[in-house]
Amino acid sequence: DTAVSQTPKYLVTQMGNDKSIKCEQNLGHDTMYWYKQDSKKFLKIMFSYNNKELIINETVPNRFSPKSPDKAHLNLHINSLELGDSAVYFCASSQDGQGGRFGSGTRLTVV
Amino acid sequence: GNSVTQMEGPVTLSEEAFLTINCTYTATGYPSLFWYVQYPGEGLQLLLKATKADDKGSNKGFEATYRKETTSFHLEKGSVQVSDSAVYFCALKASDSSYKLIFGSGTRLLVRP
Repeated sequence: DTAVSQTPKYLVTQMGNDKSIKCEQNLGHDTMYWYKQDSKKFLKIMFSYNNKELIINETVPNRFSPKSPDKAHLNLHINSLELGDSAVYFCASSQDGQGGRFGSGTRLTVV
Repeated sequence: GNSVTQMEGPVTLSEEAFLTINCTYTATGYPSLFWYVQYPGEGLQLLLKATKADDKGSNKGFEATYRKETTSFHLEKGSVQVSDSAVYFCALKASDSSYKLIFGSGTRLLVRP
């Protein structure tokens, strides 16, 4: 059973489109995250939700909007996609903020 | 601010060689420290962690000791295998932040047979 699953695994889309990435965790964790990994493998946190409440919102363009319908799900919606949004997006979850389990990533390519 | 600095890769070793990947950090208070591993095409996996000074985290033959005096958390393994080829990330969670992990830039390890 996959602990943190995100879909789709690959996403190729044109500039200006709107797209969503979904994430689900079956670990019963109370906190979920979105991270962005750029082409140089640098990882940076974008958002974090704890029990459906937004607790971390880093300096991210407001074209990015996370949504957490329940504790087990955290989706990421991106409006008006730009070339610079191309990256691998990782969802993660943790309990009590310790470490975390990561999904296998969504490789977004904007053309 | 809080930050993590890792040695630049790639690190290329022969099988059974000794591995050290350096990691130093800057943080106020007493952060928790982590090593994550990312195998090709996969997400990050927690490799080991240490939550207080002088703690040693260990897993799968890897170990790292939390050294507050040198603000370091170097990753070591006595004998690497080809299957250890991956990108290794050092990370910290600041003591004043319950939820945010700050990652180093990652170090790619390539082990040749």
